[in-house]
Amino acid sequence: DAKTTQPPSMDCAEGRAANLPCNHSTISGNEYVYWYRQIHSQGPQYIIHGLKNNETNEMASLIITEDRKSSTLILPHATLRDTAVYYCIVGARPSGTYKYIFGTGTRLKVLA
Amino acid sequence: NAGVTQTPKFQVLKTGQSMTLQCAQDMNHEYMSWYRQDPGMGLRLIHYSVGAGITDQGEVPNGYNVSRSTTEDFPLRLLSAAPSQTSVYFCATLSDIGEQYFGPGTRLTVT
Repeated sequence: DAKTTQPPSMDCAEGRAANLPCNHSTISGNEYVYWYRQIHSQGPQYIIHGLKNNETNEMASLIITEDRKSSTLILPHATLRDTAVYYCIVGARPSGTYKYIFGTGTRLKVLA
Repeated sequence: NAGVTQTPKFQVLKTGQSMTLQCAQDMNHEYMSWYRQDPGMGLRLIHYSVGAGITDQGEVPNGYNVSRSTTEDFPLRLLSAAPSQTSVYFCATLSDIGEQYFGPGTRLTVT
């Protein structure tokens, strides 16, 4: 099971882009990168995922390096409501391992 | 469409007691899992199931049992509660494209 490494905490000014890095140097060829966030003590919420190409949705953008050993989640215009713990995990879909392992995540604080 | 539901929301147990945490989903997802989250920590996978009748261990399975008799339900049993099992427990399902949907959690205290 691939593991991920994230910085424990980051600050970002409101309205600015928040760039959250993730290292997944042991990722396998069929494993996707997934991002989730957890606000307060609620259940984690899915944000975005990708395999090789960069992805964008209404919440965020995901940039994956060419060697796939790291990625960056970008919140383009951070708001106070984006203050949360962000988790980067890897896993294979639809076949392969279903053991999605969460690390300790990055605690993002958006400052007014 | 309720998504993933968990009961109870809160529970206090004495050491040695047993109980079952309930998880139900109405999204027809084959994959379900249980995580625990200790204060200030990330999520750790306890058990998971890829379909009815199939379960497997995660990172921290000791002290917990699971079964999966239907697609909808995935109960987690604590056999003999210990203070080290004080935690928040999350149940989750997995869609065909890999999105996990989490329940609201059960906050368990073992005294």
